[in-house]
Amino acid sequence: KAGVTQTPRYLIKTRGQQVTLSCSPISGHRSVSWYQQTPGQGLQFLFEYFSETQRNKGNFPGRFSGRQFSNSRSEMNVSTLELGDSALYLCASSPSGYADTQYFGPGTRLTVL
Amino acid sequence: DQQVKQNSPSLSVQEGRISILNCDYTNSMFDYFLWYKKYPAEGPTFLISISSIKDKNEDGRFTVFLNKSAKHLSLHIVPSQPGDSAVYFCAASGSNSGANNLFFGTGTRLTVIP
Repeated sequence: KAGVTQTPRYLIKTRGQQVTLSCSPISGHRSVSWYQQTPGQGLQFLFEYFSETQRNKGNFPGRFSGRQFSNSRSEMNVSTLELGDSALYLCASSPSGYADTQYFGPGTRLTVL
Repeated sequence: DQQVKQNSPSLSVQEGRISILNCDYTNSMFDYFLWYKKYPAEGPTFLISISSIKDKNEDGRFTVFLNKSAKHLSLHIVPSQPGDSAVYFCAASGSNSGANNLFFGTGTRLTVIP
């Protein structure tokens, strides 16, 4: 079974730009969650999508948004990038959304200059 | 404000000995706790979990202990093996915040010396 894939793996953007990250979950998994990992804050939950609906949301500004398609693939968008958005963005998929059944992708490393 | 804390950024242990990784939390609404292991260039991998109705959960060489009154959990690895060298994250969630609205610690890098 193929694992969770994230594209691109690395990305460099400048302040003010916007970026879209993509996550393809494990086949059959309907839940996709996104996390931001920074050295100072560790891993922080962004949001979860289940069957194309945002089911849960962390404490991030509205510049961070996402969506899920009918094939469960998910995209995350960050608008008006700030230097502090530089981070590793991880997505995780699970069959139903329970944390102990989540499988993480390798992440997308975003650098904002 | 960091609700889950791992105060030791690194830990070195000899192969065959016990590794003890610690984690503290501040939110009394947390009722489910997990440990993840992360190798470089890979996403975290779920290791073991514990519900707040238990104080111990064991899975092979890995045991998690929960002390609710102290808001403290620990992961014991016995015996430690070189392949256990990785960054370990503890995470917590509350039934009122969603099953995978996880709050993570900042991680402890475990090095097992052969």
